Amino acid sequence: AQTVTQSQPEMSVQEAETVTLSCTYDTSESDYYLFWYKQPPSRQMILVIRQEAYKQQNATENRFSVNFQKAAKSFSLKISDSQLGDAAMYFCAYRPGGGGADGLTFGKGTHLIIQP
Amino acid sequence: DVKVTQSSRYLVKRTGEKVFLECVQDMDHENMFWYRQDPGLGLRLIYFSYDVKMKEKGDIPEGYSVSREKKERFSLILESASTNQTSMYLCASSSPGTGPNQPQHFGDGTRLSIL
Repeated sequence: AQTVTQSQPEMSVQEAETVTLSCTYDTSESDYYLFWYKQPPSRQMILVIRQEAYKQQNATENRFSVNFQKAAKSFSLKISDSQLGDAAMYFCAYRPGGGGADGLTFGKGTHLIIQP
Repeated sequence: DVKVTQSSRYLVKRTGEKVFLECVQDMDHENMFWYRQDPGLGLRLIYFSYDVKMKEKGDIPEGYSVSREKKERFSLILESASTNQTSMYLCASSSPGTGPNQPQHFGDGTRLSIL
């Protein structure tokens, strides 16, 4: 079974600084997808960024980027120029490849605090 | 925008009751999912469905069942609620049509308390 590990239960960063959230995963698959979701206090899970395992290029979405190290099974999220609105729980998630309806395997989450 | 609507934001029930959590999506998605979210444990998959009347067990199906009679609606059923089922429940949907990397879209969650 796949597992996803987020080793940082909580992180704190000053507004406008950069922060990196860690995620490692364990799988025997070669084809899979990785996601970062954000859950603010409103509880709505929001997709931040996604990465296909077959792509070597790291995904980027505005201030959010990932460092995907397939051999190391690592998928960290970097948030640049942190803003107060970035404060939330962040979840790393894994999905196997293929066209099936597989659910996501989530990490336990990292609570990100933004200090003004 | 995809809209996934869960019928209740907060729900309080008693031990032994039969509890229904309802979820409706408006984007004609084939796939629907139920997760449970507990502090320090993240989200865990309970059941999912890839078509009407089809269902698959997730990682923690014990004590739960599901129903999908219509494509847009996916219900989670607690046959006889117990206090250890007090949790946040999140519904999600996705479409396989544009590739397996497509994200799941989540509802706002139902915070269920079993007394």
